[in-house]
Amino acid sequence: KAGVTQTPRYLIKTRGQQVTLSCSPISGHRSVSWYQQTPGQGLQFLFEYFSETQRNKGNFPGRFSGRQFSNSRSEMNVSTLELGDSALYLCASISGGNTGELFFGEGSRLTVL
Amino acid sequence: AQRVTQPEKLLSVFKGAPVELKCNYSYSGSPELFWYVQYSRQRLQLLLRHISRESIKGFTADLNKGETSFHLKKPFAQEEDSAMYYCALTNAGGTSYGKLTFGQGTILTVHP
Repeated sequence: KAGVTQTPRYLIKTRGQQVTLSCSPISGHRSVSWYQQTPGQGLQFLFEYFSETQRNKGNFPGRFSGRQFSNSRSEMNVSTLELGDSALYLCASISGGNTGELFFGEGSRLTVL
Repeated sequence: AQRVTQPEKLLSVFKGAPVELKCNYSYSGSPELFWYVQYSRQRLQLLLRHISRESIKGFTADLNKGETSFHLKKPFAQEEDSAMYYCALTNAGGTSYGKLTFGQGTILTVHP
């Protein structure tokens, strides 16, 4: 089974621009979560989607948004980029049933200049 | 507010020595606790969850609700245990496991 795939793996943007990151979950997984990882704040929850609906949202400004498509693929968007948005963005898909296991992708590393 | 605290950023032990990675949490409801691990050049992955009560790769973790702790232990550390370890929690009563609160992580180094 292919793992969680995130694209692009690396990207550089400048302040004020926007960015879209993509995540393809493991086949059959309907739930996708996004996390921001930084050296200072660690891993912080952004949002979770299940069957195209946002199920949970973390404490991030409205510049951070996401969506999920009918094939369970998910995208997150950050508008009006700030220097502090530089981070590794991790996507995780969640197995069915009640195992509670998150399967993480390798992440998209965003650098904002 | 829920919080997970891992007091040690770095932990070094010698091969064969016991190792304990500390995790304390604060949560008003009924938590479900996990340990995730990230080996060098690998993805973050689940090591164990308290509800399954399993021993994975020789590691165990016991949930102590009185002390609000979920320490990870292994009696004899191996060099391949060197990795970053994250303690995480979610709401046991919820329907979603996608929202985890992570600790800051502990880098474990096992010396030969």
